[in-house]
Amino acid sequence: GESVGLHLPTLSVQEGDNSIINCAYSNSASDYFIWYKQESGKGPQFIIDIRSNMDKRQGQRVTVLLNKTVKHLSLQIAATQPGDSAVYFCAETPGMDSSYKLIFGSGTRLLVRP
Amino acid sequence: EADIYQTPRYLVIGTGKKITLECSQTMGHDKMYWYQQDPGMELHLIHYSYGVNSTEKGDLSSESTVSRIRTEHFPLTLESARPSHTSQYLCASSGKLRAGSSYNEQFFGPGTRLTVL
Repeated sequence: GESVGLHLPTLSVQEGDNSIINCAYSNSASDYFIWYKQESGKGPQFIIDIRSNMDKRQGQRVTVLLNKTVKHLSLQIAATQPGDSAVYFCAETPGMDSSYKLIFGSGTRLLVRP
Repeated sequence: EADIYQTPRYLVIGTGKKITLECSQTMGHDKMYWYQQDPGMELHLIHYSYGVNSTEKGDLSSESTVSRIRTEHFPLTLESARPSHTSQYLCASSGKLRAGSSYNEQFFGPGTRLTVL
């Protein structure tokens, strides 16, 4: 079946460095992707999204890149801060028939070293 | 900040008890969802609703049931709790399409961490 997964379960970065979190998806029909951030004891919080007709989208200190050829999604965080420490999930909407449902990947834990 | 609430935040209960996890949102969203999440793992959709009197089972089989009698309220019930039900339960909602988008951002509540002894 479809799956959304992440390459690295844990990423440790130095404060101030840039972070890159990767995600692979297997459903070529997926046309909408979201990155969520989940801090300990809290529910996931929306960070940024991207539609399949785009290959890059930027927010405040975050950039999402989509490579449909290899079905790969990445989240780049510039100047990583201690407050960025959390688990990051990518999620996909598997096509128009299920446009309200999300399939989540397994998450990457980001640790920011002071 | 999203206005979606879950109670209780933490619940420890014995096997065989009936429990109801509450979820309410004040955003007027028509769609609501329940996810189950084990620590550090991905979220699995167990129930969803597209509106009042509409409920569907999600991708992960669950012994829980849900109801949607009011737009703002989407409670989840376990008739007889078992240790295998120990997990975190997250409620989410989504509503009107954002400008320029065909899809709905889901807003999440803080979750209920359930432990069944």
